[in-house]
Amino acid sequence: AQKVTQAQTEISVVEKEDVTLDCVYETRDTTYYLFWYKQPPSGELVFLIRRNSFDEQNEISGRYSWNFQKSTSSFNFTITASQVVDSAVYFCALSAPDQGGSEKLVFGKGTKLTVNP
Amino acid sequence: DTGVSQDPRHKITKRGQNVTFRCDPISEHNRLYWYRQTLGQGPEFLTYFQNEAQLEKSRLLSDRFSAERPKGSFSTLEIQRTEQGDSAMYLCASSRRVGNYGYTFGSGTRLTVV
Repeated sequence: AQKVTQAQTEISVVEKEDVTLDCVYETRDTTYYLFWYKQPPSGELVFLIRRNSFDEQNEISGRYSWNFQKSTSSFNFTITASQVVDSAVYFCALSAPDQGGSEKLVFGKGTKLTVNP
Repeated sequence: DTGVSQDPRHKITKRGQNVTFRCDPISEHNRLYWYRQTLGQGPEFLTYFQNEAQLEKSRLLSDRFSAERPKGSFSTLEIQRTEQGDSAMYLCASSRRVGNYGYTFGSGTRLTVV
């Protein structure tokens, strides 16, 4: 069975602070994909990153960076110099090939980030 | 690429009534998914279509739920005899390729059962 745990339910920071959102996953598959999505108050899920299990290189995109460590089954997300517009719920998700071929996503419960001015 | 459209955005219904939601995926996407998201939780998988074929259904999809995707285009999700526990955001997503590339979500339909 696949499982994603986001232990931080809510985080509140002041603008310009750095913040790290934690994600721990469980899967028996050797091939899998990890994702982060942002859900603003409007409700749609906005794709941020996709990472496959064979690529452990960290990635940076502007103020966003991701740290993938297979040894600890973690895929953490850091926002540098946070801004008010970063306020949202962030979801970590996992997908693995399955018999049905659906490649459905298994989501964590999300971390609500509030960035205060 | 006009994105994934869902209609309606909001639906309030009385317990026991039937409701139907529609999803229009990105036109060239042959894979379509329905998820349900309750307050404070992440989305949970409900069902998956490849073209017009419904290939996977979650145990969350009780007998009161039915989904269709005629001709592999738009999809509908119907809930019969709604219950208060059905209140949730219903999200549709579509994708074109395996390996989870291009997985695009719609804005969802928020259902409130009173």
